[in-house]
Amino acid sequence: AQTVTQSQPEMSVQEAETVTLSCTYDTSESDYYLFWYKQPPSRQMILVIRQEAYKQQNATENRFSVNFQKAAKSFSLKISDSQLGDAAMYFCARGSNYKLTFGKGTLLTVNP
Amino acid sequence: DTAVSQTPKYLVTQMGNDKSIKCEQNLGHDTMYWYKQDSKKFLKIMFSYNNKELIINETVPNRFSPKSPDKAHLNLHINSLELGDSAVYFCASSQAAGGAYEQYFGPGTRLTVT
Repeated sequence: AQTVTQSQPEMSVQEAETVTLSCTYDTSESDYYLFWYKQPPSRQMILVIRQEAYKQQNATENRFSVNFQKAAKSFSLKISDSQLGDAAMYFCARGSNYKLTFGKGTLLTVNP
Repeated sequence: DTAVSQTPKYLVTQMGNDKSIKCEQNLGHDTMYWYKQDSKKFLKIMFSYNNKELIINETVPNRFSPKSPDKAHLNLHINSLELGDSAVYFCASSQAAGGAYEQYFGPGTRLTVT
């Protein structure tokens, strides 16, 4: 089975600081897509950022950016200037036809 | 204007009962999904539908039967509920079936089986 691994069950960060969440994945495909989703306590799943594997350039969305290392099959999420509202469960996911395969998630706590 | 809606949001029922969860999307998407999130927050695909046709059934027990009356709706019926069915069930949709497309999730239905 092709898997997605998040090795950090929990992380914490001070408000205004930077934190990086790790993700590695397994795939036999050459073209694929990677996502980070956020799930706050409201349980709504919210897309944070998306990366196309064929693109060398790392995706960026405001304070959120990724470090995509295709050869290493690594896809980490960097959150800059952390805010209290960033506190949530973060899921890394790999997109393939007809489904997303998720990692087990990293619970991020933001300390004031 | 909610993009993907689910009803009900909470469902408490006894073992052995039959229940349904409804899902509707107003995004005009072709592809819809059901995911299960267990007590440890792990999310796993259950079913994928494309243009009302079942594409993926990810080793889900036969007690779970999805139905797609049209492209905007994907309902989930569960027979003979068991304690292990307690979870949060998410409906999602995407523009098309390829892995490139963002999936939009509903608010989830928390099912508790007692």
